[in-house]
Amino acid sequence: SQTIHQWPATLVQPVGSPLSLECTVEGTSNPNLYWYRQAAGRGLQLLFYSVGIGQISSEVPQNLSASRPQDRQFILSSKKLLLSDSGFYLCAWAKGEGSVTDTQYFGPGTRLTVL
Amino acid sequence: GQNIDQPTEMTATEGAIVQINCTYQTSGFNGLFWYQQHAGEAPTFLSYNVLDGLEEKGRFSSFLSRSKGYSYLLLKELQMKDSASYLCAVYPYQLIWGAGTKLIIKP
Repeated sequence: SQTIHQWPATLVQPVGSPLSLECTVEGTSNPNLYWYRQAAGRGLQLLFYSVGIGQISSEVPQNLSASRPQDRQFILSSKKLLLSDSGFYLCAWAKGEGSVTDTQYFGPGTRLTVL
Repeated sequence: GQNIDQPTEMTATEGAIVQINCTYQTSGFNGLFWYQQHAGEAPTFLSYNVLDGLEEKGRFSSFLSRSKGYSYLLLKELQMKDSASYLCAVYPYQLIWGAGTKLIIKP
């Protein structure tokens, strides 16, 4: 069966500090990978998605970036955090296989507070 | 533009039935998803509809009308553990998410 891991679970960072969140998937190959952010009481905002190693699409221009150095690893980064970067960050995977409508499955999330 | 509307909050009684509505206006349609999200946790998949009609999974059912841009999630025999937010999401080309409906279950 497939599992998805995210770490850390919670993070408190000062404004202007760097960020690195990691997501790994087990039990599947060549998945589509996604980074979302959820502000309190709001819907999910798609930040980045990837259909393969080194292939990243950005949905929202901001001070965040993403990388996919390995097939089942997805990293979200920032050089300098802003207060507005606070939120619940979720990584998700879906079967690749050329279909865009496969179900997405989420990791446990990282709750980021920027002070 | 892309828009998904859901009620912000609903209250229901344990053992009862509740229907959560979702209306959408998107530039295309390739399917509609419902997810459940307990407070502080990640969303978990409940159902997927791509054709008109009703899909039933145990106590949960989901209905879709593509011509009306409308879906609902029906929860039967409500239990306290069903207290959560329910997210509607539509696939034009990427998943577009509604803000979710917070369901409060009272004993």
